[in-house]
Amino acid sequence: AQSVTQLDSQVPVFEEAPVELRCNYSSSVSVYLFWYVQYPNQGLQLLLKYLSGSTLVKGINGFEAEFNKSQTSFHLRKPSVHISDTAEYFCAVSDRFDTSYGKLTFGQGTILTVHP
Amino acid sequence: ETGVTQTPRHLVMGMTNKKSLKCEQHLGHNAMYWYKQSAKKPLELMFVYNFKEQTENNSVPSRFSPECPNSSHLFLHLHTLQPEDSALYLCASSQAPSYNEQFFGPGTRLTVL
Repeated sequence: AQSVTQLDSQVPVFEEAPVELRCNYSSSVSVYLFWYVQYPNQGLQLLLKYLSGSTLVKGINGFEAEFNKSQTSFHLRKPSVHISDTAEYFCAVSDRFDTSYGKLTFGQGTILTVHP
Repeated sequence: ETGVTQTPRHLVMGMTNKKSLKCEQHLGHNAMYWYKQSAKKPLELMFVYNFKEQTENNSVPSRFSPECPNSSHLFLHLHTLQPEDSALYLCASSQAPSYNEQFFGPGTRLTVL
């Protein structure tokens, strides 16, 4: 079984400032890692994913995340945020070897609010 | 219509009512999912259908009844719900082998009075 902890429930930042949203996971098996974003009144949208290879992955809208196996973390970063990045962000994990269907375990979400 | 659509977007029902939520995906995917999103809780996977066959029922109470008539449509039938069932219900779809890359609909905001 896996679990995901998003360490901050809310992160307020000013426009053009850098941001980091933290995610730690727990798993007894190798995992795939994901970040999803949910804009107001919309469903979730895949932002980026780590499957294998380089531990630094780049996603849409200028976001990137780094997989740190020793610290079991997958923090999301953006060097300069925009008002339009205001949304809720979800970290998710899945068992690398269970491929029968998409069994995602989600964190509780981090609400990013970008102020002008 | 593109992507994943859900109707209705908002639903208010009494505890004795029967209603249904509808989801349709226009992506040609083979797997479809129902999730429950409650305030301050992680998304909870409720049901999974893969090639129209139910492959997961995540200990969901029987007052929720899913139906998948074909790979493009998914329903969630509701009856005798409780106030704690009020939540945002999200539908998603994905395609083998990238099952974890799920595409979500906008959700149905359900309020049970």
